[in-house]
Amino acid sequence: DADVTQTPRNRITKTGKRIMLECSQTKGHDRMYWYRQDPGLGLRLIYYSFDVKDINKGEISDGYSVSRQAQAKFSLSLESAIPNQTALYFCATSAPYGTALTDTQYFGPGTRLTVL
Amino acid sequence: AQRVTQPEKLLSVFKGAPVELKCNYSYSGSPELFWYVQYSRQRLQLLLRHISRESIKGFTADLNKGETSFHLKKPFAQEEDSAMYYCALSGVTGGGNKLTFGTGTQLKVEL
Repeated sequence: DADVTQTPRNRITKTGKRIMLECSQTKGHDRMYWYRQDPGLGLRLIYYSFDVKDINKGEISDGYSVSRQAQAKFSLSLESAIPNQTALYFCATSAPYGTALTDTQYFGPGTRLTVL
Repeated sequence: AQRVTQPEKLLSVFKGAPVELKCNYSYSGSPELFWYVQYSRQRLQLLLRHISRESIKGFTADLNKGETSFHLKKPFAQEEDSAMYYCALSGVTGGGNKLTFGTGTQLKVEL
């Protein structure tokens, strides 16, 4: 079944550690996104990629980096994790919706990251 | 800058009662508006978008440009409607695939 998967689903790490969150999709979509969700703040866009050679910063990219290894894979890295990066992280992919400007986005199950 | 405001963190209604989840936006151009929903232990998914003018699971939302609102409504709440609802905006003039989300409203339908 075509899907968006994220690994790991839960991770606890320590301040200063490097950590990578991975996202894979079997939907065949070119566009992929990383969001973080914090209580009371909704979802905020970290990075997005419209194809393998395209990487763009979102509204809160500081402290994060990404890698688009293939059409189906989009990884998010925290080079030196800090406690305020504790959050729920979502990956999403998107596909065109008819002639509309904005695609429909399909979300992964989320990764709960805790930085101690 | 674009902004989405959902003033209610939690909305509790009784089964069969009408539901209205409020969403206001700020955007200088012509926006596309969406409602996404997250049911318990499920992933976030699109509920509806204003340009489709569809009714999904009995929910409707009308874009009111004068009041800059996109409230989600349902005449009779069902228990299975309990979920977290997010309003989202995409700017038509550039950045068409970047969504700005509101902070979400948790809907609880009580028996």
